[in-house]
Amino acid sequence: GAGVSQTPSNKVTEKGKYVELRCDPISGHTALYWYRQSLGQGPEFLIYFQGTGAADDSGLPNDRFFAVRPEGSVSTLKIQRTERGDSAVYLCASSFANPYEQYFGPGTRLTVT
Amino acid sequence: GQQVMQIPQYQHVQEGEDFTTYCNSSTTLSNIQWYKQRPGGHPVFLIQLVKSGEVKKQKRLTFQFGEAKKNSSLHITATQTTDVGTYFCAGWGSNYKLTFGKGTLLTVNP
Repeated sequence: GAGVSQTPSNKVTEKGKYVELRCDPISGHTALYWYRQSLGQGPEFLIYFQGTGAADDSGLPNDRFFAVRPEGSVSTLKIQRTERGDSAVYLCASSFANPYEQYFGPGTRLTVT
Repeated sequence: GQQVMQIPQYQHVQEGEDFTTYCNSSTTLSNIQWYKQRPGGHPVFLIQLVKSGEVKKQKRLTFQFGEAKKNSSLHITATQTTDVGTYFCAGWGSNYKLTFGKGTLLTVNP
């Protein structure tokens, strides 16, 4: 069956611009997670959705980052006023429930110039 | 907050040699998961350990969860070139947030 998909696969933006990253989880998975991975590091937790609601957003670095999942399936991670330090691979994962195994998407590589 | 540490950071072995990576948490974990990430790829789930002292095997891979549920290890017997990648442990704490270690990058010389 289809796995987790993420679009775009690559995004290059200028400092100060707004970006949106999309995640399509596996059908039927109620739990959805966003992570950020820098080179040589493990995935860093950003936010966890259970259904439509953000159950834990404690990993969001600051108020420039926001995520939504309005219908309990597709999620969008939004970053305002991007900074060079935001450059990383943004990974989305979904799970049947928490804390079961997570299925990761291929990620979006964000580069802020 | 919860921290998960892994050692070693890198390991280079000759094909056929064994490999072990160790994972330690600053807090007691409810369970621990292991993932493998191939170069240029995304993390792929390998296994989840829940019980204190649990040992699970997958072919040449052996996973252990410590008695105190604060440490874990992954051992690969007779490595193959297909084992190349970064192995991450990730721990679930009391807040149901998965915390990843930095990973161990395994390279295998054929």
